[in-house]
Amino acid sequence: SAVISQKPSRDICQRGTSLTIQCQVDSQVTMMFWYRQQPGQSLTLIATANQGSEATYESGFVIDKFPISRPNLTFSTLTVSNMSPEDSSIYLCSVSQTLNTEAFFGQGTRLTVV
Amino acid sequence: EDQVTQSPEALRLQEGESSSLNCSYTVSGLRGLFWYRQDPGKGPEFLFTLYSAGEEKEKERLKATLTKKESFLHITAPKPEDSATYLCAVRETSGSRLTFGEGTQLTVNP
Repeated sequence: SAVISQKPSRDICQRGTSLTIQCQVDSQVTMMFWYRQQPGQSLTLIATANQGSEATYESGFVIDKFPISRPNLTFSTLTVSNMSPEDSSIYLCSVSQTLNTEAFFGQGTRLTVV
Repeated sequence: EDQVTQSPEALRLQEGESSSLNCSYTVSGLRGLFWYRQDPGKGPEFLFTLYSAGEEKEKERLKATLTKKESFLHITAPKPEDSATYLCAVRETSGSRLTFGEGTQLTVNP
């Protein structure tokens, strides 16, 4: 298993500002994913971030709004840009070593935009 | 497009009252089906991976099974600490993404 640390754990932000969420893993991992979980709902994949390549975004999510960095095999960041109240959600970092193995999740970042 | 449907949405049990949660899925090819437990305010915690029809996995009071169309999570003699939301997810053979169901919120009363 992998231990995943996300920072910050929660934040309250003003609309129009940006927040960068950090994801640190205790071991090198191939695949990293960013999910959003809106209140009372399940997880929706935002993008896949593999080291050495551009992040791949899911339908409905764009790089200008959710830029992602993956500088090495243990770290990634997700930025939520030009925030609006609709961005209030829990953002989760996830990692997998291979396509055949389970994904592990961080504790999430609870974002409230006011 | 992958589809994952979980039922029931919510389940309330008495301590010791066994039951099952259902996860129906539609994928072009299944690479793996995953069960997670999520407690309020926390990220999902991995429970099981199932790869092929007929496979079963067990852990304490939980047992997961898989057919070609659905998976069941059986909970035997549950305790209040089993209260959580249980999530099912699938990964298809042609991709890396996990597609999650909406989850079943389980409450076990003492």
